[in-house]
Amino acid sequence: AQSVTQPDIHITVSEGASLELRCNYSYGATPYLFWYVQSPGQGLQLLLKYFSGDTLVQGIKGFEAEFKRSQSSFNLRKPSVHWSDAAEYFCAVGYDYKLSFGAGTTVTVRA
Amino acid sequence: GAVVSQHPSWVICKSGTSVKIECRSLDFQATTMFWYRQFPKQSLMLMATSNEGSKATYEQGVEKDKFLINHASLTLSTLTVTSAHPEDSSFYICSARDTPTSGGPGNTQYFGPGTRLTVL
Repeated sequence: AQSVTQPDIHITVSEGASLELRCNYSYGATPYLFWYVQSPGQGLQLLLKYFSGDTLVQGIKGFEAEFKRSQSSFNLRKPSVHWSDAAEYFCAVGYDYKLSFGAGTTVTVRA
Repeated sequence: GAVVSQHPSWVICKSGTSVKIECRSLDFQATTMFWYRQFPKQSLMLMATSNEGSKATYEQGVEKDKFLINHASLTLSTLTVTSAHPEDSSFYICSARDTPTSGGPGNTQYFGPGTRLTVL
């Protein structure tokens, strides 16, 4: 069965500092992996996705993620966070055209 | 591109009434849409998969007679919460999956902004 683990429930980072959000997945086949961001009271916005090919994926808003098959990980990174990056971040694995989400990581940005 | 809308964005209703939520893909055709439920500070829980022109497929534990789904066109799916009760209060989010014919890889879901349902 597929599952996604986001080990960090809450991360606080200073504005301008780097950010890394961890994501580990469990899936028997080649995974389709996604990162979504959700602002309070809003739907989810797709940041980036990995289907195949280059394991370093570039997304919107300056985010990138690296797929590491050996570690079953798909960690999200941003070199320098902005106050507007404060939000909830969800990692997801696609299977049978569905998505299985992690529990999410709340990012707080301090001035 | 890949914009999904939901209407209404929030609704308050009395216990025992029914509420309909619409989900539309605005700039692409979606043969498959999904309905999720999200409780405060929690992740999304898939309720059902909505396929255009056929019956929805519900996840285990979701009452299909309570949450009626209709997907009458390639751009519209509706979720009707029948005989709503306070425990049905939640944030409902839909998504639409793009298909190869719309230029995408066929396995990316685009989400609507959500509908906040409060049942009094």
